[in-house]
Amino acid sequence: AQSVTQLGSHVSVSEGALVLLRCNYSSSVPPYLFWYVQYPNQGLQLLLKYTSAATLVKGINGFEAEFKKSETSFHLTKPSAHMSDAAEYFCAVTEGAGNTPLVFGKGTRLSVIA
Amino acid sequence: DTAVSQTPKYLVTQMGNDKSIKCEQNLGHDTMYWYKQDSKKFLKIMFSYNNKELIINETVPNRFSPKSPDKAHLNLHINSLELGDSAVYFCASSQARRGYTFGSGTRLTVV
Repeated sequence: AQSVTQLGSHVSVSEGALVLLRCNYSSSVPPYLFWYVQYPNQGLQLLLKYTSAATLVKGINGFEAEFKKSETSFHLTKPSAHMSDAAEYFCAVTEGAGNTPLVFGKGTRLSVIA
Repeated sequence: DTAVSQTPKYLVTQMGNDKSIKCEQNLGHDTMYWYKQDSKKFLKIMFSYNNKELIINETVPNRFSPKSPDKAHLNLHINSLELGDSAVYFCASSQARRGYTFGSGTRLTVV
């Protein structure tokens, strides 16, 4: 069975500092990996996805993530945090090509301090 | 045009009532899902349908019954609502090589 572990339920960074949100996955087959962001009282917005092409994936709003098979990781980074980045971030995994459910991690709440 | 639309956005109802949440997607995707997000923000798959056929039914009480009249619609009916059913319910759809799209959610409050 697939699973995702997000280390740190809450991460706090200063404005302008590096953002690093950690995600480790478990999958018996090559995974498809996703990062979603959820702003308060809103739905899920796709930030980026890894689908077995380039291991460094660039997404929206300056975020990127690197797939490391040897570490079973897919950490999300952004060089410089903005106040508007404060939100809940979810890592998700699936083994199918688009017809199997996403399995989500428990989420990491990002706070940005002025 | 909204790709995956859910109605209603908010639903407040009393314990014991029966309610439905509707979901429609205009993306031409073959697969649709219902997820439940609890008070701790954890997202858990409830049901998965592929071309109107139930594929996945996770450990969900029998009071929850999904219905898919066609591949563009997946509705969720809940009988005898309980306090613990209060959550945000998300509909989603997917298609191979096209990715996953989520609706904006339905916040259900049972009082």
